[in-house]
Amino acid sequence: GAGVSQSPRYKVAKRGQDVALRCDPISGHVSLFWYQQALGQGPEFLTYFQNEAQLDKSGLPSDRFFAERPEGSVSTLKIQRTQQEDSAVYLCASSLFNGPDRHSYEQYFGPGTRLTVT
Amino acid sequence: QKEVEQNSGPLSVPEGAIASLNCTYSDRGSQSFFWYRQYSGKSPELIMSIYSNGDKEDGRFTAQLNKASQYVSLLIRDSQPSDSATYLCAVNGATGGFKTIFGAGTRLFVKA
Repeated sequence: GAGVSQSPRYKVAKRGQDVALRCDPISGHVSLFWYQQALGQGPEFLTYFQNEAQLDKSGLPSDRFFAERPEGSVSTLKIQRTQQEDSAVYLCASSLFNGPDRHSYEQYFGPGTRLTVT
Repeated sequence: QKEVEQNSGPLSVPEGAIASLNCTYSDRGSQSFFWYRQYSGKSPELIMSIYSNGDKEDGRFTAQLNKASQYVSLLIRDSQPSDSATYLCAVNGATGGFKTIFGAGTRLFVKA
């Protein structure tokens, strides 16, 4: 079946512009995660949704970052007034999350969006 | 202290050898442990998950978990050049949440 898809794959923004990054999770997956990955580092947790509910947004670096998943499927990560330090790969992952079955917590990643702020 | 620590490497092993990758974590409440492989320019790919103490084998991969020592490892037997990648350790479920913490990754080179 189709995996997680993200768009755009590459985005170049001038400093101060707003950007919106889209994630289409695997069909039927309840949980959706956003991560930020800088070069040479592991993914850094940004936020987590269970269906349409944003249960954890502790990783969002500032109030310029906002994520939503209004219908419990597609999610959008929005970054307002982009700064150079926002340049990174933004990864989306989804998991089935089927209660007590721990294997359903396994996360599957999309290809990422590489954001470059000039 | 980082929440999930890995040696950055690079770890270099000859083809056919066993590669051993290690990870320690700081939160004793962590419940779920994952190993991901990430090729350069690609996104992480799940290769193993482990939830209870002991060993778990899947093909050439064995994950080991020791919750008392807060230690997770990944062994790759009969290493192949195609195994050359960065291996990421990930931990979640601490304090009942789903926040997942990744280590910085260990770069593995398998020499032909």
